[in-house]
Amino acid sequence: KNQVEQSPQSLIILEGKNCTLQCNYTVSPFSNLRWYKQDTGRGPVSLTIMTFSENTKSNGRYTATLDADTKQSSLHITASQLSDSASYICVVSAYYGNNRLAFGKGNQVVVIP
Amino acid sequence: DGGITQSPKYLFRKEGQNVTLSCEQNLNHDAMYWYRQDPGQGLRLIYYSQIVNDFQKGDIAEGYSVSREKKESFPLTVTSAQKNPTAFYLCASSMGEIYNEQFFGPGTRLTVL
Repeated sequence: KNQVEQSPQSLIILEGKNCTLQCNYTVSPFSNLRWYKQDTGRGPVSLTIMTFSENTKSNGRYTATLDADTKQSSLHITASQLSDSASYICVVSAYYGNNRLAFGKGNQVVVIP
Repeated sequence: DGGITQSPKYLFRKEGQNVTLSCEQNLNHDAMYWYRQDPGQGLRLIYYSQIVNDFQKGDIAEGYSVSREKKESFPLTVTSAQKNPTAFYLCASSMGEIYNEQFFGPGTRLTVL
């Protein structure tokens, strides 16, 4: 079964500091991996989407990396701001088969002043 | 403005009553989806539709029903058969092939008393 595991489940960081979120997956055959940001009580918003051939992709202060060999991805937040407080969801898609879209449970990030 | 709208944002119902959640999109997307989100869990797929007048069950379709009479609209009915309906419901849409990048609505929080 296609699965996505995210770590840490939650973390608290000081404003201005960096942090890195991890996503491990067992989805096969791999199509793409996406990171979403979800503010409390709102719908997820796409941050990045990466295919097999892409190792890194940035969106402002967010940088995602992908290692398709080890089936791992990370999302790095640089110079965190209070508005970065949210849940970050990793979503992995397969080309075919059942359960083609697998969602992680999210990394809950709290940025404190 | 292009986007996905869901209404209402908050919904309260008595146990045993059916309730319909609205989802409308003006992105001209072919595919639409309904997800359920519970605390500490990843998004779970309820139903999806690739074209008008066609829809498929997701992972947790029991107790739910949908219709797709128009491309722009994909309402979800939570029936009295759903044993634990209190949750945050998210609607999404995507262009073209069903598992392309999804755009999410703001969500509806349903509370059954």
